Amino acid sequence: DTEVTQTPKHLVMGMTNKKSLKCEQHMGHRAMYWYKQKAKKPPELMFVYSYEKLSINESVPSRFSPECPNSSLLNLHLHALQPEDSALYLCASSQRARGVVSAGELFFGEGSRLTVL
Amino acid sequence: GQQLNQSPQSMFIQEGEDVSMNCTSSSIFNTWLWYKQEPGEGPVLLIALYKAGELTSNGRLTAQFGITRKDSFLNISASIPSDVGIYFCAGPISGNTGKLIFGQGTTLQVKP
Repeated sequence: DTEVTQTPKHLVMGMTNKKSLKCEQHMGHRAMYWYKQKAKKPPELMFVYSYEKLSINESVPSRFSPECPNSSLLNLHLHALQPEDSALYLCASSQRARGVVSAGELFFGEGSRLTVL
Repeated sequence: GQQLNQSPQSMFIQEGEDVSMNCTSSSIFNTWLWYKQEPGEGPVLLIALYKAGELTSNGRLTAQFGITRKDSFLNISASIPSDVGIYFCAGPISGNTGKLIFGQGTTLQVKP
């Protein structure tokens, strides 16, 4: 069982809706990530949070808004999405100590399957 | 920029056969990671490699970190139907950013 929990597992939304994806980890990891994955493609990085601060934004459109309320939680707020945003959204976490990234081992959640109509 | 070239793109094998896939790059990596992703699930870390020449096993899986640091391979021995999935190699991008770069994946199908 994964130690990174994502909700909801499936989400269908219209282009005018506002929704949120949630992620929780209790491994004490201080780096958390959002990835987007299209079918049969590798995950693509969207955002990285390090010690609850946004450290990387991979030029993601503003209709995706990340939030890290505390070291265990990561949200992705969705607003005015397009059908091409339909994908599997993966949350991941990794160990980080004193600002130094671990060897890069990411632990992924099961993902939230998003469909935009 | 850094890229990972993974091959083969897909494999269709008979149960019991051994499988080999590899990942190469023109850049040096200090870590190689191998993930497996099953349909509808997130990637699961199978093996992590940290030293050039390192050979690590996880059950029927064996992975090696190439001596040049520019390649890695994953072997699966005596495949079984539950080995089906997409296997991704990955490595951290230089610069201590926490970013991973992924290969394009090898899709494995096993015929019982």
